Amino acid sequence: AQSVAQPEDQVNVAEGNPLTVKCTYSVSGNPYLFWYVQYPNRGLQFLLKYITGDNLVKGSYGFEAEFNKSQTSFHLKKPSALVSDSALYFCAVRDTSGAGSYQLTFGKGTKLSVIP
Amino acid sequence: DADVTQTPRNRITKTGKRIMLECSQTKGHDRMYWYRQDPGLGLQLIYYSFDVKDINKGEISDGYSVSRQAQAKFSLSLESAIPNQTALYFCATSEAGDYNEQFFGPGTRLTVL
Repeated sequence: AQSVAQPEDQVNVAEGNPLTVKCTYSVSGNPYLFWYVQYPNRGLQFLLKYITGDNLVKGSYGFEAEFNKSQTSFHLKKPSALVSDSALYFCAVRDTSGAGSYQLTFGKGTKLSVIP
Repeated sequence: DADVTQTPRNRITKTGKRIMLECSQTKGHDRMYWYRQDPGLGLQLIYYSFDVKDINKGEISDGYSVSRQAQAKFSLSLESAIPNQTALYFCATSEAGDYNEQFFGPGTRLTVL
């Protein structure tokens, strides 16, 4: 079965500092990995995805994520945090092997607070 | 995403009532999904549809039913609402292909008293 873990319920970072939101996954085959962001009273918005190829993926709003197969991780990063980055972030995985669900499995979310 | 709309945005109902949540999309996507979000639990898939004639149960389909009236419309029904169905419900769409991202509607906040 596929699964995804976001080990931190909340991450606090000062404005201007780099930020990292962690995600680890478990699949039988190769993963498709996604990051989404949810602002208050809004639906989820797609940030970036890893399908294949370069392990460093760049996405919207200056975010990037690094796929690490040996550590089964896909951490979200940004070099300099903005107050407007404060939101709920979700990691999601899909197993491509056919052994797991063909659907996305979401993590429980990490609340990012950027302190002015 | 403004191309995915949900109605109503908020609904308060009583135990035992039948409720329908509607989703419409103008993105031209074949695939549509219904999720529920509970605080601290992330999103859980209720039902998904790969096209008008293909509807599948997700991980938490008990107590729910769906109807895909057209490519652009996907409705979720609670035949007899119960309090533990109080949650935020999201509709999403995607192009065919498991590697494609999903586009979410603004959500419906449902409260069952």
